[in-house]
Amino acid sequence: NAGVMQNPRHLVRRRGQEARLRCSPMKGHSHVYWYRQLPEEGLKFMVYLQKENIIDESGMPKERFSAEFPKEGPSILRIQQVVRGDSAAYFCASSRTVDHYEQYFGPGTRLTVT
Amino acid sequence: KNQVEQSPQSLIILEGKNCTLQCNYTVSPFSNLRWYKQDTGRGPVSLTIMTFSENTKSNGRYTATLDADTKQSSLHITASQLSDSASYICVVTEESGYSTLTFGKGTMLLVSP
Repeated sequence: NAGVMQNPRHLVRRRGQEARLRCSPMKGHSHVYWYRQLPEEGLKFMVYLQKENIIDESGMPKERFSAEFPKEGPSILRIQQVVRGDSAAYFCASSRTVDHYEQYFGPGTRLTVT
Repeated sequence: KNQVEQSPQSLIILEGKNCTLQCNYTVSPFSNLRWYKQDTGRGPVSLTIMTFSENTKSNGRYTATLDADTKQSSLHITASQLSDSASYICVVTEESGYSTLTFGKGTMLLVSP
């Protein structure tokens, strides 16, 4: 049973470009969470999605950031017009149900904005 | 504001020695507390999960304690190994309808030979 997959593992974008980060949850998991880890900081919750629904996006910046989890395919975290401050590690986690305590984390995508 | 504070920030110990990492939190209402191990360049991996009613839980050489009254937790590592070198993160879950987590900044542990 493959774990949570994220790609790309490393992404370099110039200021103003778009970044697309992908997350494939573990088989049988329908709940996906995105977190951001800034250098020297703890992980911060961004958004929680179930299939085709955004449940909680209270941690998402109001502008430029969006997330989706379509019926088919991976969850996508999209950052438009990236700025240097977006440089961070972005982690995805998945769980089987919302009552299942265990969230399994992917290896992360390290975004560098030049 | 929900917060999780960890100490020490970093720690160096000799292989084979024991160590204890601390975590204080202000998250309320409390659901559960987890300790994760995060190797450099990797995602966090769960070590233990404790709910309000549990005050100790072990996973091999890792033993976590929880005092829900004082809102403190500790992670004790016995007979440390070089592979224990990692960041250890305390994470507290709020009792909401879904599992949003508050993360500590982690304690960076280095086990030296």
